[in-house]
Amino acid sequence: GQQLNQSPQSMFIQEGEDVSMNCTSSSIFNTWLWYKQDPGEGPVLLIALYKAGELTSNGRLTAQFGITRKDSFLNISASIPSDVGIYFCAGYTSGTYKYIFGTGTRLKVLA
Amino acid sequence: SAVISQKPSRDICQRGTSLTIQCQVDSQVTMMFWYRQQPGQSLTLIATANQGSEATYESGFVIDKFPISRPNLTFSTLTVSNMSPEDSSIYLCSVEAGNTGELFFGEGSRLTVL
Repeated sequence: GQQLNQSPQSMFIQEGEDVSMNCTSSSIFNTWLWYKQDPGEGPVLLIALYKAGELTSNGRLTAQFGITRKDSFLNISASIPSDVGIYFCAGYTSGTYKYIFGTGTRLKVLA
Repeated sequence: SAVISQKPSRDICQRGTSLTIQCQVDSQVTMMFWYRQQPGQSLTLIATANQGSEATYESGFVIDKFPISRPNLTFSTLTVSNMSPEDSSIYLCSVEAGNTGELFFGEGSRLTVL
C-alpha cells in the first residue's frame, strides 16, 4: 500500500541535542499526525495538526503542517534517553477513513 | 482519546492454526481499524470494520485469511487463519476518537508463527 516518505530513516544523536525529521507525500492531506512507538508497544499519538502552516507543541516536541499540505515536520529539543524509539507520521483526509503512514524514523540517543 | 485493550498481547502459534485477536474500546466508536506491522516495518491497514456491516479489506488482504467480526460499537475481533511464518507480525487495533481525525492504537498483539 501507499506509504509516506520519512527522513531520515534512522539517526544517532547525543543526549541534549535537537532532532529534526520530516515526512513528505505526493498527496494532499488535511490532517497530519505524529506517533512514537516504543519496542513491544503500540504507537502513541504525540501531536495532531489540522491546518496548513500550523505549528503545534507538546512539551519538547514541535510539529508543523507544511504549507503545501504535502509535508510535515517534527522537532525534538534537548533530547533525552527516553526519546529513543520509532517516530511515524500519518496523513489523513477527513471522510476517507484512510490513514497513510510514513516509513518511520528510528531515533537512538547516546547518553 | 480512547483506551483500547487487545488480547492476547503476544502468542506463539503453530503453522496451519488460526488465532483470534480481541479488541475492546472504552467508548462507542463507529469505525475500527486493523493494522499489521511486520518486523522492522511501518503500519499497513488490513481492513476497516464498521458495526453491523461487512469489513472493508485493503488490497492484498482477503476475508478468508483475515475474518473480522464487529458485533457492537465497542468490540471487534480479527482472526488470522491458517497461519504461516510470514504472518509473524504485530497486529494492531485502532479507532478514531470523536471525529477528530486522531487515531488511537491498542498495545498490539505480537504473533510468532513457527
